[in-house]
Amino acid sequence: ILNVEQSPQSLHVQEGDSTNFTCSFPSSNFYALHWYRWETAKSPEALFVMTLNGDEKKKGRISATLNTKEGYSYLYIKGSQPEDSATYLCASDNYGQNFVFGPGTRLSVLP
Amino acid sequence: DGGITQSPKYLFRKEGQNVTLSCEQNLNHDAMYWYRQDPGQGLRLIYYSQIVNDFQKGDIAEGYSVSREKKESFPLTVTSAQKNPTAFYLCASSKRGLAGAHEDTQYFGPGTRLTVL
Repeated sequence: ILNVEQSPQSLHVQEGDSTNFTCSFPSSNFYALHWYRWETAKSPEALFVMTLNGDEKKKGRISATLNTKEGYSYLYIKGSQPEDSATYLCASDNYGQNFVFGPGTRLSVLP
Repeated sequence: DGGITQSPKYLFRKEGQNVTLSCEQNLNHDAMYWYRQDPGQGLRLIYYSQIVNDFQKGDIAEGYSVSREKKESFPLTVTSAQKNPTAFYLCASSKRGLAGAHEDTQYFGPGTRLTVL
């Protein structure tokens, strides 16, 4: 079973602050890394799929990087807004069969 | 409107009763998945199916059963053998079948919160 870790478990930032969090995954037999945003009372929403070492993806104020050799991915949020408050999940693709999810990072952006 | 539906949103059952959670998708996806979430934990995989009439156990399959008789439907039965069934259950689907692409992501339903009294 793959072990996917995320840190920190939770964080609180002020509106306008930039922040980042980490997803660690086993680097051997890497297939793909997925980031999701999960807002309260909604379904998890796909943010990024990352497949190549050195990948950088961006969607508005949110971006992500990938290092498959050392087994980590960073998610960055620039100028956090209250609507960014959510749990951010990463998932490692288990040999193309299924996903293994990390426990998530719960972000609260205070106005 | 394409998407994944799960019903009901909230479900209450007495201990010892089996209960079936519904998951339907009209995205024409080959693969479907069931996850469970407990407070403070990530999503844990119960069962998944990459093609009709076939399914595989996930990490925590004990006390659960599934069927995949139709492409669009993947119901989950929580049996009385499941020792701690109270949880939030999420269903997902993906284009990915047996020959999936690295980029295939999973799309989630709204979830069912099951409480066993």
